[in-house]
Amino acid sequence: QITLKESGPTLVKPTQTLTLTCTFSGFSLSTSGVGVGWIRQPPGKALEWLALIYWDDDKRYSPSLKNRLTITEDTSKNQVVLTMTNLDPVDTATYYCAHHYCTTTTCSYDSWGQGTLVTVSS
Amino acid sequence: QTVVTQEPSLTVSPGGTVTLTCASSTGAVTSGYYPNWFQQKPGQAPRALIYSTSNKHSWTPARFSGSLLGGKAALTLSGVQPGDEAEYYCLLYYGGAWVFGGGTKLTVL
Repeated sequence: QITLKESGPTLVKPTQTLTLTCTFSGFSLSTSGVGVGWIRQPPGKALEWLALIYWDDDKRYSPSLKNRLTITEDTSKNQVVLTMTNLDPVDTATYYCAHHYCTTTTCSYDSWGQGTLVTVSS
Repeated sequence: QTVVTQEPSLTVSPGGTVTLTCASSTGAVTSGYYPNWFQQKPGQAPRALIYSTSNKHSWTPARFSGSLLGGKAALTLSGVQPGDEAEYYCLLYYGGAWVFGGGTKLTVL
């Protein structure tokens, strides 16, 4: 059974850096085709894809946010960390991590964490 | 800036059939966009329904199906139930990055 859980601060001040951790179980980030993605959702708004790290340490970012995002993995701890710099109130959102898996012909985001709400306010 | 467009809202009667679509500002959606569909109910995390156009997860009810229709990705719900009332999101792949649609609020009335 795949599970993921996001953790991090609930309140961050503008201009600060946000660090979120996704702790997962039920799969290995060393397995070919596997990845962990980050997605966020401002209150009452749509989902927004942020970043993805693959089993081979390949990393992908949203073009609109790539200058502010860094995604890393700690395979030994089964964790993926997302950092976002220069926070603004518009970054207030629920942040989700999700298990990503690709074969030669398919790709899916099948299992999601429960999400963690981050509020950016002074 | 790539934009993925969904119907903002749709209404369907219980037992009816409804099709939600997902269009790309770059042109026709093909299987190479690996369309994924998610259902989200208030206060809950999204739940995956369909991946890579038409593949169902083991938990996806049979009444949900995915396809390509007229240059768009499509999600069809047949025999709609009141519990299907939710927000539905599509997700498309753009050669490295992924982009969500704005979501469709489905009302069962």
